[in-house]
Amino acid sequence: DGGITQSPKYLFRKEGQNVTLSCEQNLNHDAMYWYRQDPGQGLRLIYYSQIVNDFQKGDIAEGYSVSREKKESFPLTVTSAQKNPTAFYLCASSISTGDQETQYFGPGTRLLVL
Amino acid sequence: QKEVEQNSGPLSVPEGAIASLNCTYSDRGSQSFFWYRQYSGKSPELIMSIYSNGDKEDGRFTAQLNKASQYVSLLIRDSQPSDSATYLCAGPNSGGYNKLIFGAGTRLAVHP
Repeated sequence: DGGITQSPKYLFRKEGQNVTLSCEQNLNHDAMYWYRQDPGQGLRLIYYSQIVNDFQKGDIAEGYSVSREKKESFPLTVTSAQKNPTAFYLCASSISTGDQETQYFGPGTRLLVL
Repeated sequence: QKEVEQNSGPLSVPEGAIASLNCTYSDRGSQSFFWYRQYSGKSPELIMSIYSNGDKEDGRFTAQLNKASQYVSLLIRDSQPSDSATYLCAGPNSGGYNKLIFGAGTRLAVHP
């Protein structure tokens, strides 16, 4: 069963705590992305990775970190430096189809601060 | 700052009608656009992509791209209550490999 999986579905963070969100894909996609979505707003890019062992900052990378040690996995760590982490976090991966890259999303992780 | 703009809605249409969702963009060099549907509490799912001027049809959905006027639209024919969702328009972000910039979305409500 191919697709993108994210875990956990809900995550609670205490003040000063680092938490890690998991994203795994078995679609053999090269590129992976992390977005954040706040209520009533569009998706904002946190980090993206085009290939294994390489990743780039997106528009709102401060307070977040990532790694890309395997093609299938792109975990996101929300550090204590991120002062307003409550949001819906979406992982995506993409494949090239002709002249364009098409992104597909995982089910998301909702992060709440205790 | 390159942008993708959408009317937040809600857009309310009766069942069976045509729903028209619009999106404007600022980057004249943009080539590809995507429409995603997002149900409340769920992640976005791809509906259509378009990168040529004109219309592209897929079932009840038609995407339209007008590069001269810098707008892209999504028409939903024979709207159903199950089409009620937020529709996100996305276009290329600046200067990077396949980065997308998303509009805030238009909420569509189809009433019986």
